[in-house]
Amino acid sequence: AQRVTQPEKLLSVFKGAPVELKCNYSYSGSPELFWYVQYSRQRLQLLLRHISRESIKGFTADLNKGETSFHLKKPFAQEEDSAMYYCALSGMDSSYKLIFGSGTRLLVRP
Amino acid sequence: NAGVTQTPKFQVLKTGQSMTLQCAQDMNHNSMYWYRQDPGMGLRLIYYSASEGTTDKGEVPNGYNVSRLNKREFSLRLESAAPSQTSVYFCASSGSGTTQYFGAGTRLSVL
Repeated sequence: AQRVTQPEKLLSVFKGAPVELKCNYSYSGSPELFWYVQYSRQRLQLLLRHISRESIKGFTADLNKGETSFHLKKPFAQEEDSAMYYCALSGMDSSYKLIFGSGTRLLVRP
Repeated sequence: NAGVTQTPKFQVLKTGQSMTLQCAQDMNHNSMYWYRQDPGMGLRLIYYSASEGTTDKGEVPNGYNVSRLNKREFSLRLESAAPSQTSVYFCASSGSGTTQYFGAGTRLSVL
């Protein structure tokens, strides 16, 4: 079955602390993995995708096919990083539909 | 530079009433999607349209119908609303790649 699991509903850290939001997936094939973010009162937007292998707002995520994980990391959290983060996968069929995890709320305290 | 526009932003219905949620995109995207967002469950796909003229069921299609009116517009209809359909509804679109662009959402309460 295709599934994305985000085990933490809430992650609370202090400003300047490292952050790791966990994401594990199950999919029989080679999916594309994404992190989407939803800031307060804003629409859901793409943060990064594994194919791009880039760092956005200091966040990085490495796809580990052996562990079927795509954890999101940032070495020094900022208060403006507080948001809801969703991990998602696309099965690369022609519909490009996404399967989302349940989301992790990141709270960065001053 | 509107992107994906959803109307209405808020709606309150009584059980059994019907309504249509509207979605339009101005990015010339082929694919459009409807999701619902519930606490602790993330976003779940209701219906999608991979291209103009086609629609397919997603993970939670029961109680909903959709219409891909043209390339720009993709509407979601609740024929007989139920309290279980209280949720936040998001429309999204994507072009030739896999990145999806989302609307601002419609917050629906069914009493």
